[in-house]
Amino acid sequence: AAGVIQSPRHLIKEKRETATLKCYPIPRHDTVYWYQQGPGQDPQFLISFYEKMQSDKGSIPDRFSAQQFSDYHSELNMSSLELGDSALYFCASSPRTGGSYTGELFFGEGSRLTVL
Amino acid sequence: GENVEQHPSTLSVQEGDSAVIKCTYSDSASNYFPWYKQELGKGPQLIIDIRSNVGEKKDQRIAVTLNKTAKHFSLHITETQPEDSAVYFCAARDTGRRALTFGSGTRLQVQP
Repeated sequence: AAGVIQSPRHLIKEKRETATLKCYPIPRHDTVYWYQQGPGQDPQFLISFYEKMQSDKGSIPDRFSAQQFSDYHSELNMSSLELGDSALYFCASSPRTGGSYTGELFFGEGSRLTVL
Repeated sequence: GENVEQHPSTLSVQEGDSAVIKCTYSDSASNYFPWYKQELGKGPQLIIDIRSNVGEKKDQRIAVTLNKTAKHFSLHITETQPEDSAVYFCAARDTGRRALTFGSGTRLQVQP
């Protein structure tokens, strides 16, 4: 079965540089979520999109922005990178079943960002 | 917002024993409670979930119980196997939003 695809899987950047992460949700999933997971931490919700509109906002820094495109893929843009931004970034997607939101989140394998 | 607490942070059991992980949540409006298993370097994998209209759900060796009055839910794994070793996260979602709030995780080690 198709899963959530994230790219790149690994990314190394210098401080103050920018980075873009991409997420391709499972086909026919219309909601995309971004989570940040530091070493030994639980995933922290950043932002989500439903039908290309922002639906929820969590602890996303002002230096970060995201959007969902017409094909439902999403991109997380991170600028002025700091050492503390080093983390695993997960994308998840949710389906609608019979017109109802089911609530299940399916996660990708993550993008590991290292800021030097 | 929602706050989810999870215990214990680490759990070591012998192969074949049972493991229980407990979570509490703060928002009485929460209605969806999934459990995720995360292996090293991988994304969280949904293993079981329960909605607020039921008190218990079972899937082979895994079961989840929910006590809405006390606002807590638990994961039960029976006949543990070494491949059950991973970090397990509970999560909760309230009716007002789509995103999940996660607990702090439990590192389960099953000793062969």
